[in-house]
Formats: sequence, C-alpha cells, structure tokens
Amino acid sequence: EAGVAQSPRYKIIEKRQSVAFWCNPISGHATLYWYQQILGQGPKLLIQFQNNGVVDDSQLPKDRFSAERLKGVDSTLKIQPAKLEDSAVYLCASSLHLGQGVGTQYFGPGTRLLVL
Amino acid sequence: DQQVKQNSPSLSVQEGRISILNCDYTNSMFDYFLWYKKYPAEGPTFLISISSIKDKNEDGRFTVFLNKSAKHLSLHIVPSQPGDSAVYFCAVVTQGGSEKLVFGKGTKLTVNP
Repeated sequence: EAGVAQSPRYKIIEKRQSVAFWCNPISGHATLYWYQQILGQGPKLLIQFQNNGVVDDSQLPKDRFSAERLKGVDSTLKIQPAKLEDSAVYLCASSLHLGQGVGTQYFGPGTRLLVL
Repeated sequence: DQQVKQNSPSLSVQEGRISILNCDYTNSMFDYFLWYKKYPAEGPTFLISISSIKDKNEDGRFTVFLNKSAKHLSLHIVPSQPGDSAVYFCAVVTQGGSEKLVFGKGTKLTVNP
C-alpha cells in the first residue's frame, strides 16, 4: 500500500513570495490533515478535511494560508504571502474516516520550507 | 499554553537498558493518548496508544503507562535498541468527534551501542 505522498520535499523562497504544497493521501482515506511543525516543536494541526469538506480550520492563519481538497482526494496548501515565521515542515496526514478510532493517522514525509 | 508537555528534550541510554519517556497533560477530560515516533526527514509514525479506561498498554518492547490522577503518561522501551533512536512525540485527542491531535514538543532518544 502506497503511503501519503507530498511534494516538493524542500522549498526555499523569499518573504512575501507565494508557495504551494501538494499532498496525495492513502487511497480510500476520507480524512486529510495538514500540520505545521516548527523546529523544536510538535506538529500543530492547521486544517482537517473530511472528503472535500472542512472539519476544523481553527488554527489556520486565514489571512495568508489557504487549503483545498477538490474531489475529496488530493489537497493543496498555499501560503501567500510568506513570512519568515512560516519556516517549518508542513506535514500531511490521512486516515480512513472519522470515528474509525484514533491513532490511525498516517503521515507523509513532509515539505521543509525555508523563508528568507 | 501547552496542553501537552514533554519536559525532557533529550534522553540517552545504553543498548539493552530501559528507556523511559515522560509526558504530562493539563486537561483531565482528555481520554485518549498516543505516542508517535519520528526519524529525520520522515513523517511521524504511530507507535502505541492508551485510552483513559486503562492504566497500561503493552505492545512488544513498548509499554505505555497512564496515571490519570497525576495527568501523566510514560513510554517504556525494554530493551532499548539503537534503531529506537528517534524523536518521540506524546499526543492527546482533544475532541473525540474530530480526532484532533495535540502534540508535545518531543523527546529525542539516543540509544548508544
């Protein structure tokens, strides 16, 4: 079974530029999560989708971050414009469906973003 | 305000000995707890979990203990192996319906041969 795929793996941009990350979850997984992991911190949930609907985006900085999951499969996370403090690893995770039981979130390798 | 605290940023143990990683949480309403393991340049992988109705859960060399009165959980690895060297994150489920996870800052475990 293929795991969660993310691209790119690394990205370096200058502040005020835009950047987008892509995630392809495990086939058949209805729930998709985007996390931000700043160096020295644990992952922090940014947004959670169930199919193509948003379940929780309470910690997403909506003035600069946006995410979509068209057709309930792939997802993109965009930052526009980027700030220095956005430098982090952006992790995508997926799970089969809500209510299956916790502990079943499968993470991708992440995209490491450096904002200069 | 951290809801999940891992106060030891790092831990070093000898191969074959026990590794004990600790985690404290603030809200007595949390009822499901997990440990994730992360290697460099990889995403976290689920290791073991425990619900609040239990005080111990074991899976091979890994055992998680939960002390609800102290709002404390710990992960024991016995015996420790060099391949266990990784960052270990404690996480709690804060909202049962959404399966929202809140992670601690992690503890870097180094197992020396």
